[in-house]
This record gives sequence, C-alpha cells and structure tokens, in this order.
Amino acid sequence: EDKVVQSPLSLVVHEGDTVTLNCSYEVTNFRSLLWYKQEKKAPTFLFMLTSSGIEKKSGRLSSILDKKELFSILNITATQTGDSAIYLCAPTSGNTPLVFGKGTRLSVIA
Amino acid sequence: DSGVTQTPKHLITATGQRVTLRCSPRSGDLSVYWYQQSLDQGLQFLIQYYNGEERAKGNILERFSAQQFPDLHSELNLSSLELGDSALYFCASSAQTDLPQGYTFGSGTRLTVV
Repeated sequence: EDKVVQSPLSLVVHEGDTVTLNCSYEVTNFRSLLWYKQEKKAPTFLFMLTSSGIEKKSGRLSSILDKKELFSILNITATQTGDSAIYLCAPTSGNTPLVFGKGTRLSVIA
Repeated sequence: DSGVTQTPKHLITATGQRVTLRCSPRSGDLSVYWYQQSLDQGLQFLIQYYNGEERAKGNILERFSAQQFPDLHSELNLSSLELGDSALYFCASSAQTDLPQGYTFGSGTRLTVV
C-alpha cells in the first residue's frame, strides 16, 4: 500500500524565519513528487519533481527530491504571513489517483 | 477560479439524512476525483471517474456513492449521515488518468452533520 508521511504536522514561525517541510513516501512505479499549497480552500499546485535535484519557484521556495532515499523537502526562506497554509505532498505512480500526506500546517506570525 | 465548480459551498444537515454534492470539472477534463478532508485524516481519496466510468476506489464508505454523467459532471451521494462525516469534500479534475502534473481542485463543499 502506498504510504506518504509528512513532518512536522504543524509549525509556527516568525516572519523572516526559514522552514523545512519533510515528505517521505513509499509507492510502486514512482514517477514524480508533487507539492501543493492549501490556503483557505482548494489545494493549488506548487512543484512537480521528477528527478533527484532541486526545483525552485518564486525565489523563496525550493524543493529537493531524493529518489534513492524516497523523500522530498520543501524549503521556504524569509517566510511571510502569506506563506501560512497547509502544505501537501503527493507522489505519483502511473495511473493511480494521488495519495496525499496529512500535510504540514504552517503558521507564520508577524 | 480554477475552472472546477463545486456546489453547494456549505451544507448543514442532520444525522441520518442524505445529501448530494455536485462537481463540474474543468472544460476538457475527463477524469473526476473525489476527496474527503478532515482535520485528523488529511486529504483522503474516495473515488475516481473517467469519462463516465468508475476507474478507482479508495476509502469510500458503502453509504457513499458517486457517478459521472455524459456531460462529465459528477455527483457524490452521502447517505445515512453520521457526525463523523462532517468534513470538506473536494472534487478535482484532470485531462487524463496519467497526468504527472496533478489535478485541479474545486473550492470544496463543507459538510456539517449535526
């Protein structure tokens, strides 16, 4: 059975701090790892990682995928209150529907 | 606006009742997925339809059922509701079943069972 574990489950930081969110996974026929950001309602797509390495978006967000050790990290530097959200990861494998981790609830306080 | 439309946005109903949640996928998307999100369980996959046919089933209770119609909109039926069914129900769509970029989500229906 596919398994996705995210840590920490919740995190409270001050503006300007750097945070690291973790996602470990076990899936058969792994293809890619997706990160989503969920603010008030619908999750929105952030990253897709297909090979080990670093993918950056918007400058302050970056993500690493390690296909050998089966984990991914989402880093957010110089956090802002607008980064407060639930961050979800999901590995993809062939045609099977996405299985999400429970998410990390990030709260950034001014 | 993501292009995926869910109605209603909020629903309050009593235990034992039956409700229907509706989802219109993004134009051109053939796959519809239903997810349930509760505080302690995260985003749980319920069921997938592709072009009118059931394609995959997740942790969907027998009291729940879904269908996808010829115009590709989908409905999720929840019956004999229990307090524990209170959650956010999301619909997502994708153009095909094998889409590594993931899905487009609707804004969800918040169901409260009292």
